[in-house]
Amino acid sequence: DQQVKQNSPSLSVQEGRISILNCDYTNSMFDYFLWYKKYPAEGPTFLISISSIKDKNEDGRFTVFLNKSAKHLSLHIVPSQPGDSAVYFCAAVETSYDKVIFGPGTSLSVIP
Amino acid sequence: EAGVAQSPRYKIIEKRQSVAFWCNPISGHATLYWYQQILGQGPKLLIQFQNNGVVDDSQLPKDRFSAERLKGVDSTLKIQPAKLEDSAVYLCASSFPGTLSTDTQYFGPGTRLTVL
Repeated sequence: DQQVKQNSPSLSVQEGRISILNCDYTNSMFDYFLWYKKYPAEGPTFLISISSIKDKNEDGRFTVFLNKSAKHLSLHIVPSQPGDSAVYFCAAVETSYDKVIFGPGTSLSVIP
Repeated sequence: EAGVAQSPRYKIIEKRQSVAFWCNPISGHATLYWYQQILGQGPKLLIQFQNNGVVDDSQLPKDRFSAERLKGVDSTLKIQPAKLEDSAVYLCASSFPGTLSTDTQYFGPGTRLTVL
């Protein structure tokens, strides 16, 4: 039973355009969300996070949007760069249980 | 600041053999995690330590997997005996200063295990 879903296994975007990565979750008790980025042969690295009390968090080219009623979050990358090509994991936390649940990941390719 | 170190990076064994992985977290990080990432899936938490005590090992297959964290620093994860379905990347992560997973976790490069 997947609690965190990333229904697009892969995504291709032209350099300079917007990349939108989507994530859905089923547990309404999740109250903190994170995005991690992973290059081949490396461990995931933290990218951006958002608390459930917010609906948007921005950090440079990266913005995460949270729609609690729809149990949906998305990561926007603008403008996309070739160095953004990686696997992106959405993760959710129910802070009272303090356990991170990762989605299966979306592989982003930014084409020069 | 040195990152999370893991060894070996790659390991190939036959089923029913034993294997051990080692992790050295970032200095001062009290919390240490072991994750299993099967191809095409996200990382799944196996065990979480706070210093040298176990916080969560609910998803650790205890009949074959064991882990320890010596003196609250380095950690080892062992599989004995290995099964084909244990083929995965084993990731170690650490975080500072507290126990909350919302604190940023720093991941090591992982150990890719292939069980033949």
